[in-house]
Amino acid sequence: QQPVQSPQAVILREGEDAVINCSSSKALYSVHWYRQKHGEAPVFLMILLKGGEQKGHDKISASFNEKKQQSSLYLTASQLSYSGTYFCGTEGGYSGGGADGLTFGKGTHLIIQP
Amino acid sequence: DAGVIQSPRHEVTEMGQEVTLRCKPISGHDYLFWYRQTMMRGLELLIYFNNNVPIDDSGMPEDRFSAKMPNASFSTLKIQPSEPRDSAVYFCASSLGLPQETQYFGPGTRLLVL
Repeated sequence: QQPVQSPQAVILREGEDAVINCSSSKALYSVHWYRQKHGEAPVFLMILLKGGEQKGHDKISASFNEKKQQSSLYLTASQLSYSGTYFCGTEGGYSGGGADGLTFGKGTHLIIQP
Repeated sequence: DAGVIQSPRHEVTEMGQEVTLRCKPISGHDYLFWYRQTMMRGLELLIYFNNNVPIDDSGMPEDRFSAKMPNASFSTLKIQPSEPRDSAVYFCASSLGLPQETQYFGPGTRLLVL
């Protein structure tokens, strides 16, 4: 099943913070976060591998609550370059016992205004 | 490394014609994924390969779609016959492993079926 992202869209002023949430109905191996700019391919941001883990680089970080099957992406002191569509991709299991590849949410559109 | 390479970057064709999309994964990556992106459905996984073998093709929409990976450095996605509803951006991605490995996306092929 497709993970659910919220909000669908966010408009911020430069320097403001944002949180994007991703929720799944099934148990997860991992959560991947990507950013896509218009007309370009998705670009990998980070991957979270286990419950309670939090990762980050620069002013973008994320957390993964394995028990709740939820992940959140935190953008601090947003910059104009952060504009784009953010996707979470979740890896769950399939009946064969392995992982079933990434299932992406519908994305969150982030617009940063000067 | 050159990254994932896709060709053509743009394709315009008429309904009923055969369309072949091509992908060269990153050298050394054992997994190759084909995704389709539309406004309505977002990013959907169509099929993925491990060591040139198709593992999960449950996302392939119809028998009109077929994918092959004759060797570790080349894959094709074929649509025959094409229909206007196949218009989308088709991405190829590759990764070292599954699960919990980063997937690197190619630039995509923008397909328009008239």
